[in-house]
Amino acid sequence: NAGVTQTPKFQVLKTGQSMTLQCAQDMNHEYMSWYRQDPGMGLRLIHYSVGAGITDQGEVPNGYNVSRSTTEDFPLRLLSAAPSQTSVYFCASSFLRGSEAFFGQGTRLTVV
Amino acid sequence: GQQVMQIPQYQHVQEGEDFTTYCNSSTTLSNIQWYKQRPGGHPVFLIQLVKSGEVKKQKRLTFQFGEAKKNSSLHITATQTTDVGTYFCAGPRTDSWGKLQFGAGTQVVVTP
Repeated sequence: NAGVTQTPKFQVLKTGQSMTLQCAQDMNHEYMSWYRQDPGMGLRLIHYSVGAGITDQGEVPNGYNVSRSTTEDFPLRLLSAAPSQTSVYFCASSFLRGSEAFFGQGTRLTVV
Repeated sequence: GQQVMQIPQYQHVQEGEDFTTYCNSSTTLSNIQWYKQRPGGHPVFLIQLVKSGEVKKQKRLTFQFGEAKKNSSLHITATQTTDVGTYFCAGPRTDSWGKLQFGAGTQVVVTP
């Protein structure tokens, strides 16, 4: 039982490049989220999903896309990377609405 | 919109001392959750409080949920170096789908 798995762990992108951050969970959780963490700002919600085919925006969705084709996977796409997207990204999943969140190990992204 | 605030932002503690960190929500919460993130790590769930006035203990950690279910506190007694990290509180948003709203966290530094 791996829990929530994120790849890659580290990534450096050039401004304007696109990439996909992968997130997979093996706990059969319906609820999945993407957060970004910046110093002094806590965890800010980027996008959210309540099940396959259903996604919603969080606090800071601009510049990011998501899709949820399966229960297990919830990839986050950066369309055209900008230095302001330099951050640590965490994927999380929950079994119930508003319940305990299980986090992945995080992806440390630097955009130069 | 709904906000969750934590104070203090930083806490320097001498090993063996006690301290308390506070969490305040702008709206009534159905539950409050606490997470701990070690330096370089990912947030890990500690506890969830649901009932008004609820108090739960985990060894040297005491968690309390306010009577109005809008505030919470985490008290650590006899701080140890293993308590180093950032402590986040989080509550489900009331507007839609129970997305978790995180506070900015309290970063705890322990001096031996």
